[in-house]
Amino acid sequence: DAKTTQPPSMDCAEGRAANLPCNHSTISGNEYVYWYRQIHSQGPQYIIHGLKNNETNEMASLIITEDRKSSTLILPHATLRDTAVYYCIVRVKAAGNKLTFGGGTRVLVKP
Amino acid sequence: EPEVTQTPSHQVTQMGQEVILRCVPISNHLYFYWYRQILGQKVEFLVSFYNNEISEKSEIFDDQFSVERPDGSNFTLKIRSTKLEDSAMYFCASASVGNSPLHFGNGTRLTVT
Repeated sequence: DAKTTQPPSMDCAEGRAANLPCNHSTISGNEYVYWYRQIHSQGPQYIIHGLKNNETNEMASLIITEDRKSSTLILPHATLRDTAVYYCIVRVKAAGNKLTFGGGTRVLVKP
Repeated sequence: EPEVTQTPSHQVTQMGQEVILRCVPISNHLYFYWYRQILGQKVEFLVSFYNNEISEKSEIFDDQFSVERPDGSNFTLKIRSTKLEDSAMYFCASASVGNSPLHFGNGTRLTVT
């Protein structure tokens, strides 16, 4: 699986949009971009994933650049409960393939 | 919303003892996984399981570890002779078909003394 690079930490203000960047410059055509988060040692929680088109669900939006070498996870209105470690993961499109976690971005939402 | 359930939430055991960590995956899922996270470190893949056999395992998953799906609902991780360095959070995950997302349980904290 291609590697990802994320900033180790970032702060954002409650009520504002949080934009979390991720670089995956070696991504290949059969690899998806997944985002998970982990709140204080709980199990990782799935947020969203995409291949090349932008995606949106009730939790977040995922913007993938046209060349697919980077992406941004957007939390539209951050709350204190969004404080967590956010993981950007590239995963090969294959049935049952594992996820490989990196260090993620520690996001602190401040009042 | 269906979820992955893990028991116990916390297990304390003495070095050299056997432990079994239990997981109930989401009912229609076909792919099962175990991960671990040592305190302050990354979430690490241990093993994946499909169609009653191991699909892939990491270097961590040595002969001390085994997995089993003893019935239609449970998925277990056994550590035969625990070491101090096995102390960690152990997460079970499951996925339905194809490239669908993994869904994780909230883990079992294993403390080896």
